[in-house]
Amino acid sequence: DAGVTQSPTHLIKTRGQQVTLRCSPKSGHDTVSWYQQALGQGPQFIFQYYEEEERQRGNFPDRFSGHQFPNYSSELNVNALLLGDSALYLCASSLAVGRRDYEQYFGPGTRLTVT
Amino acid sequence: AQSVTQLDSQVPVFEEAPVELRCNYSSSVSVYLFWYVQYPNQGLQLLLKYLSGSTLVKGINGFEAEFNKSQTSFHLRKPSVHISDTAEYFCAVTRTGNQFYFGTGTSLTVIP
Repeated sequence: DAGVTQSPTHLIKTRGQQVTLRCSPKSGHDTVSWYQQALGQGPQFIFQYYEEEERQRGNFPDRFSGHQFPNYSSELNVNALLLGDSALYLCASSLAVGRRDYEQYFGPGTRLTVT
Repeated sequence: AQSVTQLDSQVPVFEEAPVELRCNYSSSVSVYLFWYVQYPNQGLQLLLKYLSGSTLVKGINGFEAEFNKSQTSFHLRKPSVHISDTAEYFCAVTRTGNQFYFGTGTSLTVIP
């Protein structure tokens, strides 16, 4: 049973560029959440996708956008990259509220470095 | 909104000694509480969770935590640590199960 997978593992981008990160949820899960973890900090909630729609959003600017596909996989897009966007981006999958035990399964993350 | 405070950023402890990692939360409504562990260059792994019922919850790897509603705390404990427990530990809270709020983490270092 494959867990949550993310690609790429590492990424280096230049300020102003755009980036797309990808996530495949754990088998059987239909909800995907994205988190940003800056160095030495805890994960910060970006947004959550369910049924291909953004269900909830944290305190992140519109430069951060996402998408969920019919197979439940998801993408995180960040436009106009800033140095402060350098972080580990974590994807977590779970079952929808009402059918789950509130457990989120995390992928290994994508390390984004903006220069 | 909810918030989580992990009172100790770094905790060194000798091997086979007991350890307690402290977590306090702030919320005006009932919440669900979690502890996660993160090993270097890896994602987060769930150690244990409190949803309801008994306030003492047991998790993986010999860890346990006690929910104290009056003190709004959810401290993590282990009676005897091993070298392999060296990692970053995060306390998290959610009200709805959609948005999770994490603390800043406690770095546990087990000294041989």
